[in-house]
Amino acid sequence: QVQLHESGPGLVKPSETLSLTCAVSGHSISSSYYWGWIRQPPGKGLEWIGSIFHSGSAFYNAPLKSRVTISVDTSKNQFSLKLSSVTAADTAVYYCARERMTTVTSFDSWGQGTLVTVSS
Amino acid sequence: DVQMTQSPSSLSASVGDRVTITCRASQSITDYLNWYQQKPGKAPNLLIYAATNLQSGVPSRFSGSGSGTDFTLTISSLQPEDFATYYCQHSYRTSITFGQGTRLEIK
Repeated sequence: QVQLHESGPGLVKPSETLSLTCAVSGHSISSSYYWGWIRQPPGKGLEWIGSIFHSGSAFYNAPLKSRVTISVDTSKNQFSLKLSSVTAADTAVYYCARERMTTVTSFDSWGQGTLVTVSS
Repeated sequence: DVQMTQSPSSLSASVGDRVTITCRASQSITDYLNWYQQKPGKAPNLLIYAATNLQSGVPSRFSGSGSGTDFTLTISSLQPEDFATYYCQHSYRTSITFGQGTRLEIK
C-alpha cells in the first residue's frame, strides 16, 4: 500500500524559499502515476500547486508558476517542492499526493500534510 | 480556466438524512469531476472519480451524478462519521481546480 510522507522546515522567513520533500513508500515513483503538491491555508480550501512525472515532466498552477519548481529523485523514490519568494500568504498545510491519470486526474493517496508558516 | 462553484457552502443535517451537494462548472467539463471528503486535521480522501465512479473502499451510501456543467454528490443516509467538508475537483490537461468546499455539520 502506497504511503507518502512530507518533510521540511515548519518555519520559513518572508522572501526566502520554501523546500519540502515527499518520500514515497510501498510504490515505485517510476510507475505510471503523476505526483502532486496541494496546499491548504488555515481554515481555507485546497489549492493545487503542481505535478510531476518520473521523467521529470512537470506542470504548475498558473498563478504560482513563476515561483514553483517540482523535481523528482527516482533513486530515492521521492519528489520535492520549492516555492520561492514566500510571503505570509504562503502559510499553509502542504500535502503531497499520488495522482491517478484516468479520464480525469484524481488524487487517490495523500500524505498527512505538513504545516509551513511564513514569518520572520 | 474553468471555475468550480460549490453549493451550499455549509449545510446542517441530522444522522439518517439524505444530503445533496452541488458543484457547478463555468463551462462544460463532460465527466472530468471528482469528489473528496476532508475531516478536521486530516488529508482529503477521494470518494468519487469521473463524476459517478465510487472509489474502492468508499461506502455505497455515497454516490455521484451529473455531466457537462452540473454535478451532485449524494449521501443517502448520513452517518456520524460523514460530518466533514466536501470538495469537488476538476482536471483537464495540465490544469487542476478545486471547488471552495461544503462544510457538512450536525444539526
